[in-house]
Amino acid sequence: AQTVTQSQPEMSVQEAETVTLSCTYDTSESDYYLFWYKQPPSRQMILVIRQEAYKQQNATENRFSVNFQKAAKSFSLKISDSQLGDAAMYFCAISGTYKYIFGTGTRLKVLA
Amino acid sequence: NAGVTQTPKFRILKIGQSMTLQCTQDMNHNYMYWYRQDPGMGLKLIYYSVGAGITDKGEVPNGYNVSRSTTEDFPLRLELAAPSQTSVYFCASSYSSGTYEQFFGPGTRLTVL
Repeated sequence: AQTVTQSQPEMSVQEAETVTLSCTYDTSESDYYLFWYKQPPSRQMILVIRQEAYKQQNATENRFSVNFQKAAKSFSLKISDSQLGDAAMYFCAISGTYKYIFGTGTRLKVLA
Repeated sequence: NAGVTQTPKFRILKIGQSMTLQCTQDMNHNYMYWYRQDPGMGLKLIYYSVGAGITDKGEVPNGYNVSRSTTEDFPLRLELAAPSQTSVYFCASSYSSGTYEQFFGPGTRLTVL
């Protein structure tokens, strides 16, 4: 069975600073993908970044990057130059065949 | 492209009533999913479908039914609504298996009183 754990229910960051959200996972599958989704107050789920497990290079999308440690089964999200619009729930997810498993989320607050 | 659309946006049901949550996607995706999100929690998979005529149970299927007669539509049926089914329901679709991004609908907030 696949599991995803987000141990930080809530995080705060000052505007323009950097914050890292943690995610650990467990899976017995050899081929899988990892995702970070953002859910703003509008409730719309938006893909932030995706990491292919067989790629050692960490994914980057503008101000968002991941630290993927496959042996440790860790997949953290770093947000640089935080903006007020980054305030949201962030969900880590793992996929295997057909299904996706989501963590319980981290609420990110951005302080002006 | 409208993406994934869900109706209704909000609904209040009485205990024992039934209803169908509608989900439609216009991206010609084979894979479709139904999730529920309880307050302060992540998404729990209810049912999924890998193509028209094919459905399978997820983590929390009890009290729900689905059908997939077309590629575009994936309705979720609640029979005999219970307070435990109070939640926000999300429909999602993806082009193929779990290696692809899921596209989500805006959600339906359901309250059972």
